[in-house]
Amino acid sequence: KAGVTQTPRYLIKTRGQQVTLSCSPISGHRSVSWYQQTPGQGLQFLFEYFSETQRNKGNFPGRFSGRQFSNSRSEMNVSTLELGDSALYLCASSFLGGDQPQHFGDGTRLSIL
Amino acid sequence: DQQVKQNSPSLSVQEGRISILNCDYTNSMFDYFLWYKKYPAEGPTFLISISSIKDKNEDGRFTVFLNKSAKHLSLHIVPSQPGDSAVYFCAASARSFGNEKLTFGTGTRLTIIP
Repeated sequence: KAGVTQTPRYLIKTRGQQVTLSCSPISGHRSVSWYQQTPGQGLQFLFEYFSETQRNKGNFPGRFSGRQFSNSRSEMNVSTLELGDSALYLCASSFLGGDQPQHFGDGTRLSIL
Repeated sequence: DQQVKQNSPSLSVQEGRISILNCDYTNSMFDYFLWYKKYPAEGPTFLISISSIKDKNEDGRFTVFLNKSAKHLSLHIVPSQPGDSAVYFCAASARSFGNEKLTFGTGTRLTIIP
């Protein structure tokens, strides 16, 4: 069974640009959650999508947005990139969503110059 | 405001001994807790969870203890093996209050010394 796939693995952008990250969940999983990991901050919850609807949202500015498609694949978009957006972005999927144990992808490392 | 705290950034333990990783929380609404393990360049993997109706949950070499009055949980690994070297995150949610968003701690890097 294929795991959670995130693309690309690495990305370098400059301030002011925008970026789109992609996540393909495990087949049959309807929930996709996104997290930001930075040194010293742990994993911070961005948002969760379940059956194409945003079900939960963390405390991030509106520059961070996402969506989920009918096949459960999800994308996350960050606009007007700032240096502080440099982080590892992790996607996780589960069947029921919420706080159920999730399966994580290996992440996209985003570096802002 | 860090609602889930892992105050030890790192921990070294001899192979075969017990590893104890600690986690404290401040939000009294948290009632469901999980531990994840993360290797470098990989995503976290789920280890074990515990609901606030229990004070202990065991799965093989891994046991999680919950002390609700102290708002403290710990993960015990016995015996510790070299493959346990990783970063461990605890996470919490307030599911009984309708909030299933996970709040993670900052992680503890465990190194098992052969």
